[in-house]
Amino acid sequence: GESVGLHLPTLSVQEGDNSIINCAYSNSASDYFIWYKQESGKGPQFIIDIRSNMDKRQGQRVTVLLNKTVKHLSLQIAATQPGDSAVYFCAELGAMNYGGSQGNLIFGKGTKLSVKP
Amino acid sequence: DGGITQSPKYLFRKEGQNVTLSCEQNLNHDAMYWYRQDPGQGLRLIYYSQIVNDFQKGDIAEGYSVSREKKESFPLTVTSAQKNPTAFYLCASSALGGHEQYFGPGTRLTVT
Repeated sequence: GESVGLHLPTLSVQEGDNSIINCAYSNSASDYFIWYKQESGKGPQFIIDIRSNMDKRQGQRVTVLLNKTVKHLSLQIAATQPGDSAVYFCAELGAMNYGGSQGNLIFGKGTKLSVKP
Repeated sequence: DGGITQSPKYLFRKEGQNVTLSCEQNLNHDAMYWYRQDPGQGLRLIYYSQIVNDFQKGDIAEGYSVSREKKESFPLTVTSAQKNPTAFYLCASSALGGHEQYFGPGTRLTVT
C-alpha cells in the first residue's frame, strides 16, 4: 500500500548549519509532493512543493530534491535558524485508486527539527 | 485578511456528547478538508468537500459527520460514536484544481 514516512523522527542541528530532512514514499505514480512546517499548537504552513517532472526546486533558504528512482524526497534548509524549529511533514498526492485519500494529500508522520543556539 | 479560522481553539466535552467544530474560510476556495492529528503523528483525513452540498469520506470518517451548506463553511461534528475523540483537529482548504492546502490554526478537543 501507499505510505509516506520519514527516515528520522527527530533532528537536532546547530544554528547556522544546514538541515536535511528526508522522506520516503511508496507510490511511484504520485506526481506531486509538498512540504509543510508545523509549529507547536499551530496549523501546518506551506513551505515548498514539487512535481514529479522536476528533480529539484528552490525557494528562500529551502530546496526540495526528488529522487524518483529510489522514491525519496528531501528538504534542505540553509543556515538553519531558531525560528526553523518545528515539525516538518512531507505529503504526496494519493493515487486515484487509494481509498479515502484518492486525489488528496497523504501525510507522513513528521520530523521534529530542533535548532540549538 | 484572507485565511481560515477555526473556533474555538480549545474545546472540552463530556463523553457521550456530540460536539461541532467550526471552520470558515474567506479564500474563495472550493475544496475544504478536515484532518485529525494525534501526538507524534501525521494528519489523517476525516472528510473532504470539493463543492457546496457535496462531501466525501476520508480515511477515518467513522464517528464524524460534516455539512457543506455554504462555500465558506465546513463544520465537523464529532459524535458520541467516535471511540477516541480527543485529538487536534485541523481544517484546510484549497483552490479548485490546486493541491496546496491552506490550514487553519486547529481546535484541540478533549473529551473526558
